[in-house]
Amino acid sequence: GNSVTQMEGPVTLSEEAFLTINCTYTATGYPSLFWYVQYPGEGLQLLLKATKADDKGSNKGFEATYRKETTSFHLEKGSVQVSDSAVYFCALSDGNTGRRALTFGSGTRLQVQP
Amino acid sequence: EAGVAQSPRYKIIEKRQSVAFWCNPISGHATLYWYQQILGQGPKLLIQFQNNGVVDDSQLPKDRFSAERLKGVDSTLKIQPAKLEDSAVYLCASRAGGAGRDEQFFGPGTRLTVL
Repeated sequence: GNSVTQMEGPVTLSEEAFLTINCTYTATGYPSLFWYVQYPGEGLQLLLKATKADDKGSNKGFEATYRKETTSFHLEKGSVQVSDSAVYFCALSDGNTGRRALTFGSGTRLQVQP
Repeated sequence: EAGVAQSPRYKIIEKRQSVAFWCNPISGHATLYWYQQILGQGPKLLIQFQNNGVVDDSQLPKDRFSAERLKGVDSTLKIQPAKLEDSAVYLCASRAGGAGRDEQFFGPGTRLTVL
């Protein structure tokens, strides 16, 4: 079955540091890939997505590239802010079945210190 | 546009009691999902509806969990009887579907504590 593995947290960075959160996946066929973010006290929000190999998703300074050869979708940001402190979830959607339910990783908590 | 609404936000019950959660998806969204998120883990799909029909309930513990989506709008998820391991956040999400409308929108969740 489908699965997503992401690096464990918490990840603690100083403001303006470079961020990488690793995500690898196992899936049959050609899934769509997502990063969701959960800010404290709020629901899950879509951060970015990519639907095919070599696509780059980007939003709010965050980027991730769909790498089929390494089955990865690592999240990066060049300069984090305190307001980026949240839990980040990598997820995939199996387009083959058409159902598009999401399979999530376990989440990575990011703490950014001023 | 109003988001996905869920109630209650918090619920504390004792084991073997029953509980029900309610979800109102974004207007016009045909697909509705219920996910279970145990502390420290990512959400896991319980059931998916397309309008008022079940698309996938393979991960739903049917001996104790049930869900319905009458009239293809609101949905209710029920647990009867609850076990300690059911303590989790229950998330509802909806999706419009169709070309370019693939994003799932999540509600704030219901946090269930079973004592």
